[in-house]
Amino acid sequence: SQQGEEDPQALSIQEGENATMNCSYKTSINNLQWYRQNSGRGLVHLILIRSNEREKHSGRLRVTLDTSKKSSSLLITASRAADTASYFCATGMNTGFQKLVFGTGTRLLVSP
Amino acid sequence: GAGVSQTPSNKVTEKGKYVELRCDPISGHTALYWYRQSLGQGPEFLIYFQGTGAADDSGLPNDRFFAVRPEGSVSTLKIQRTERGDSAVYLCASSPEAGGRGGYTFGSGTRLTVV
Repeated sequence: SQQGEEDPQALSIQEGENATMNCSYKTSINNLQWYRQNSGRGLVHLILIRSNEREKHSGRLRVTLDTSKKSSSLLITASRAADTASYFCATGMNTGFQKLVFGTGTRLLVSP
Repeated sequence: GAGVSQTPSNKVTEKGKYVELRCDPISGHTALYWYRQSLGQGPEFLIYFQGTGAADDSGLPNDRFFAVRPEGSVSTLKIQRTERGDSAVYLCASSPEAGGRGGYTFGSGTRLTVV
């Protein structure tokens, strides 16, 4: 079953614009991670934010986490055509080990 | 190895046949995960190994699915009496510690098509 839902399902922007994707989840978490997937194959880990953190940065990526609203956002600044991919949030639960549960994904298209 | 290796990359099989999908994790990674991804969906958890033992197999859809990791490294996902609904991309991931708190490293997946 999917833990999270991502919004929007699809996003189309021009190069240089910022892209914001949102993720909502249902249960308490230990951490939330974002992954990128190109062409429906292997996923690449982008960033991890722990439940006691509110914001984290990595290069052009900024992730926020609001545990009271059970939501997270991923901001990609100054987007490039190479950022075109599907982006998934994944939550690690407080169950003793961190089985990740993935959301439904946002398909991002960045046009030159 | 440098990354997680999955073989074969594509597998077409007839309904009712048996298939094996192989995952070779990053050397030294103790945790190994299998996920299944259907078209347009996010990956769905199947099973998690910590070393040689299956720590959580709650995601296996039924008893036709089985996975092993006999020496704590390579893992094989086995599907008996395949059905058309088993068609999906099967993803393997590994992490250096229990829980994958530093993020998983995924392989490129095996695309299974049951005809």
